[in-house]
Amino acid sequence: EIVLTQSPGTLSLSPGERATLSCRASQSVSSSYLAWYQQKPGQAPRLLIYGASSRATGVPDRFSGSGSGTDFTLTISRLEPEDFAVYYCQQYGSSPTFGQGTKVEIK
Amino acid sequence: QVQMVQSGAEVKKPGASVKVSCKASGYIFTSYGINWVRQAPGQGLEWMAWISAYNGNTNYAQNLQGRVTMTTDTSTSTAYMELRSLRSDDTAVYYCARDSGVRAFDYWGQGTLVTVSS
Repeated sequence: EIVLTQSPGTLSLSPGERATLSCRASQSVSSSYLAWYQQKPGQAPRLLIYGASSRATGVPDRFSGSGSGTDFTLTISRLEPEDFAVYYCQQYGSSPTFGQGTKVEIK
Repeated sequence: QVQMVQSGAEVKKPGASVKVSCKASGYIFTSYGINWVRQAPGQGLEWMAWISAYNGNTNYAQNLQGRVTMTTDTSTSTAYMELRSLRSDDTAVYYCARDSGVRAFDYWGQGTLVTVSS
């Protein structure tokens, strides 16, 4: 099973600041198989990024994904109030797994 | 528009079974697979299983093999997840999610809380 480790666990930032979230895999993951999700309290996850860097429909362009191999990054260029949430990376292999999540909170 | 609507909350005793439904609309049901993902209280996301709505092929998480069964009813565009021999650590919100075809889960149900308690 591929283990995904996200860092940091919590990111305390102010609106307007840049957020950089990391996802490291225990073995190489095809870029086509790496996705990012946003989850707000009491809601289902929402797909943000698939294929490591492609934005899902309706996702603002302040969200971007990058990376390859074992290291992937989600960047939010300028935080809006609605971006404070928990973010999960996911690898889509024969047995998909999720990272443990990074909480982006208001500083 | 695509919607995935799940059945309501359940309370079960240890050892019992639960069956959660997920009714899809707004797309051709048999063109996409369905995944099930659960989230224990205050915890992260755990993938459980995938089913092809086209031919019923399944793929289960190893730790749930033998306790979980996924089925679909193409006449009603509904997917089902049955979990047996429930334990307290099965208490979680269970989500269905459409397999997007680009190796991610693009539409999610609203979640079904399953509480296992004596």
